[in-house]
Amino acid sequence: TQLLEQSPQFLSIQEGENLTVYCNSSSVFSSLQWYRQEPGEGPVLLVTVVTGGEVKKLKRLTFQFGDARKDSSLHITAAQPGDTGLYLCAGGTNAGKSTFGDGTTLTVKP
Amino acid sequence: NAGVTQTPKFQVLKTGQSMTLQCAQDMNHNSMYWYRQDPGMGLRLIYYSASEGTTDKGEVPNGYNVSRLNKREFSLRLESAAPSQTSVYFCASRLPHRGLNTEAFFGQGTRLTVV
Repeated sequence: TQLLEQSPQFLSIQEGENLTVYCNSSSVFSSLQWYRQEPGEGPVLLVTVVTGGEVKKLKRLTFQFGDARKDSSLHITAAQPGDTGLYLCAGGTNAGKSTFGDGTTLTVKP
Repeated sequence: NAGVTQTPKFQVLKTGQSMTLQCAQDMNHNSMYWYRQDPGMGLRLIYYSASEGTTDKGEVPNGYNVSRLNKREFSLRLESAAPSQTSVYFCASRLPHRGLNTEAFFGQGTRLTVV
């Protein structure tokens, strides 16, 4: 079983602060995705990264895939209350299955 | 745009009862998945179907069965519900299957309580 460990598990910050959450594994993944989930809803895709060392930016969110394709990070600049939610990383393999991390619960206080 | 539709949204069962969770997608996706999500945990794969007519076990298949009825529909059945199956269940679909570079679309979930 390929495991994805996310850290921190919980994060509570003030509006305007920056933050980084991490997704780490001892396994290599062919792709890595980040999802955001709001209470009572299913996860929604934020980004997919496929190349080692790849960096993608989505407005105030910056995603990075590690060179060895075993880890990833999500950095949020100037967090807003609307960023509050559960952030999940998911690793994909050529075998056709995906593995989800346990998530980081982010709370941004006004 | 309906996307992925799950029914029911909420369900309370007594231990030993059976039920079927329904899932339908209108995006013509080949692959469909059933996950469960417990408090403080991510999504754990129960079963998946790479294409119509095929199903495979995921991480936590015990106590569940699935049916890929056609390309649109993928159902999850609990034959004899147990309190350990209290969870939120999500159905998802994506296209295509291999490589997993594509977006998974999730339903809104079924909140199941077994008493």
